[in-house]
Formats: sequence, structure tokens, C-alpha cells
Amino acid sequence: ETGVTQSPTHLIKTRGQQVTLRCSSQSGHNTVSWYQQALGQGPQFIFQYYREEENGRGNFPPRFSGLQFPNYSSELNVNALELDDSALYLCASSIGTANQETQYFGPGTRLLVL
Amino acid sequence: KNEVEQSPQNLTAQEGEFITINCSYSVGISALHWLQQHPGGGIVSLFMLSSGKKKHGRLIATINIQEKHSSLHITASHPRDSAVYICAVTKTGNQFYFGTGTSLTVIP
Repeated sequence: ETGVTQSPTHLIKTRGQQVTLRCSSQSGHNTVSWYQQALGQGPQFIFQYYREEENGRGNFPPRFSGLQFPNYSSELNVNALELDDSALYLCASSIGTANQETQYFGPGTRLLVL
Repeated sequence: KNEVEQSPQNLTAQEGEFITINCSYSVGISALHWLQQHPGGGIVSLFMLSSGKKKHGRLIATINIQEKHSSLHITASHPRDSAVYICAVTKTGNQFYFGTGTSLTVIP
């Protein structure tokens, strides 16, 4: 059974650029959640995708968008990058969205915006 | 104000000490989770609680629903316990709402 994987592991961008981060969910999981973790802070919920549809969104501006594919892998896109977007981006997959369904986290993508 | 607050933010202990990390929340929840994050960034789920107490090895987690408070205890702490411990809650679905984390360092 393959765990949750994310790519790339590290990324450096400049202000105003666009970035796409990728997440492959664990086998059999149809739900992917994305989180942003700034240095020294706890992760913040960005959004969740369930069966290719957005299923909940945190307090992030529209320049944060996402996508889930038929194989349940997911992308996080961030447009017009700002310095404050520098963070660790974590994805987590689960079997469904019910509160008892455990989420399994990927290793994260470290994004640095200069 | 964060919906989930943890204390302390940083904790240094000698090997063998008993450790307590506290979590308070201000919203209605369906469950409370304790997670462990190692320096590389990976997060592992330790406990999911909706009432009472759970124990796994040297780790014990308790929750008081009326007081909206949970504690994570580590008995006989060991340097390999050094990590960031994060409290998170779920509301209606399984999206996490996290505390800021407690960075634990256990010195040999």
C-alpha cells in the first residue's frame, strides 16, 4: 500500500509567480485535504476535495484553488504569489469526509517566495 | 483568537520526566486529535478522542468535554519523543482545525 506522496519537496518562487503543488492520495482514499503551515505555527485548513468536488474551504483568498482528478490525486494552485505564502504545504488523504475517518498526511512541500 | 489553544509552546524535559501538554478549544467539536510532527514535516496521528481517556504505550490522552480541555501525557519521556505535538479538532466533517503546537525536547 502506497502512502500519501507530495511533489515537489521544495520549491523557490518569486513574488507574483504562480505555483502548482501535487498530492497523490493513499490507495483507496477518495478525499484530499490541503493545509498551509507557516513557520512556527500550526497548519491552517485551505480546502478539501471529495470525489472531485470541493467539500469545504478555510479562510484563504480565491487565488488559492484546487483540483481533484478521477484517480483522486489533487493539485493546489496558488496565483500571484506573496511573500507570506512561504510555508509548508501539507496534504492529507482519507476514506471519505466523516469525522471518524482518519487523515493520513504526506511529507509536505516547502515553498519559499522571494 | 485561535479556536484551539495549546500550552506550553515550548517544553524541555530531562529523560524520564513525566510530561503534560494542554489543549483548550472554544468551539463545538465532534472529536479532538493529538498528532505528532517530526522535523521533516511529516504528521502522524496519535489519538482521536470524543470522550474519556485513551492510552497507547507511554502516551495517555484525556478529554473533558464540559471544560473543553484535553491533555496529552508522556510517561518516562525519552529523547526519541522530541517532536512537535499538535492538538486539532474536527467539527462536522474530518477537516482539522489545529492548535499552534508544542515543541518538545527531551534531553538525555
